[in-house]
Amino acid sequence: KNEVEQSPQNLTAQEGEFITINCSYSVGISALHWLQQHPGGGIVSLFMLSSGKKKHGRLIATINIQEKHSSLHITASHPRDSAVYICAADNNNDMRFGAGTRLTVKP
Amino acid sequence: ETGVTQTPRHLVMGMTNKKSLKCEQHLGHNAMYWYKQSAKKPLELMFVYSLEERVENNSVPSRFSPECPNSSHLFLHLHTLQPEDSALYLCASSQDGTSNEQFFGPGTRLTVL
Repeated sequence: KNEVEQSPQNLTAQEGEFITINCSYSVGISALHWLQQHPGGGIVSLFMLSSGKKKHGRLIATINIQEKHSSLHITASHPRDSAVYICAADNNNDMRFGAGTRLTVKP
Repeated sequence: ETGVTQTPRHLVMGMTNKKSLKCEQHLGHNAMYWYKQSAKKPLELMFVYSLEERVENNSVPSRFSPECPNSSHLFLHLHTLQPEDSALYLCASSQDGTSNEQFFGPGTRLTVL
């Protein structure tokens, strides 16, 4: 079993739908990161959180430290949100990554 | 130039070649990282440098040799690689060597023939 598990592996949604991607981890963390990787490889950091909830535009990330679980939500999804979303468990920069969730949003 | 840059963007090399990947960050950060992303596998942390000192080496084979001459530049020297080393190599930087947001470069797509 991987130290960081993401679900689902693949997700197809219609434009406008509310999307949730889940991440469970089994290691101790100092922070949990959500990353977005577009075709071609470029990676953008979306969130870094160690407790509670953060919101940026249409994106919301939550974390439950006791349950070792985090979720990434996208409201009013758009085709430009199509990308791979990666969860990473960070233990003082010892980073362990999930396999990613490939999201496709259709117009 | 802004952010984190990597050169070259694409590299094809034979198993007997020696090549180097270069990363430069223009963010004033003190920590830099090398990651490997193989097809259908999660990202793997290879090396971490903080204030030009290597603080993490995740059991990476010696055919990969990092170098950090200053806090803005990071190199990955490659020699006698294997075809299974073909991957996307990503560089990142952060403010310091503790848990911080990391800023990624565009990556170098390496193919070993």
